[in-house]
Amino acid sequence: GESVGLHLPTLSVQEGDNSIINCAYSNSASDYFIWYKQESGKGPQFIIDIRSNMDKRQGQRVTVLLNKTVKHLSLQIAATQPGDSAVYFCAEYMYNFNKFYFGSGTKLNVKP
Amino acid sequence: EAQVTQNPRYLITVTGKKLTVTCSQNMNHEYMSWYRQDPGLGLRQIYYSMNVEVTDKGDVPEGYKVSRKEKRNFPLILESPSPNQTSLYFCASSSPGAGTDTQYFGPGTRLTVL
Repeated sequence: GESVGLHLPTLSVQEGDNSIINCAYSNSASDYFIWYKQESGKGPQFIIDIRSNMDKRQGQRVTVLLNKTVKHLSLQIAATQPGDSAVYFCAEYMYNFNKFYFGSGTKLNVKP
Repeated sequence: EAQVTQNPRYLITVTGKKLTVTCSQNMNHEYMSWYRQDPGLGLRQIYYSMNVEVTDKGDVPEGYKVSRKEKRNFPLILESPSPNQTSLYFCASSSPGAGTDTQYFGPGTRLTVL
């Protein structure tokens, strides 16, 4: 199957700093991308999404950037807080195949 | 409250003893899916369903069965569990084309097969 991967397995940041989590995807035909947050003992929780016809989307304290030229997706978290500590996954979806593919995750540690 | 529920949350069983993990969603979603999560491998899709009575294999379907008799329920069946099916399982649902295609996940079921 197609693969979605992450560059860094662990990221440590200071509280208040901005965080950037990166993801590389392999299928240029993917239509839709999502970032999920997974806290210990819980299921993945939707953070933000972006469609392939966009290159940037902003939410509350989060921004997703999509660079289709290099097949790269990033999640930016502004003013990172201790509650942001979790594992973050990127995922891609292809409408033609009705399937989601997930990366292995990046663990974000926020130091007080 | 909109949610996906799974039962049981934790299960320890022995090789060969049939088990079913239930999944239910109250959002009237058409699409439902099962994943397993293993360290270093991320979420891998087992089976998915586009609607009632429509199911299809994901990337790792061997050893699993599913059914979709009702829109809200999507049980995962392990006819003869084996130790390599020890994993964390998630059910998810979504409504493709309804503005957002994101999936909503259940809380997970941790299965141990001895």
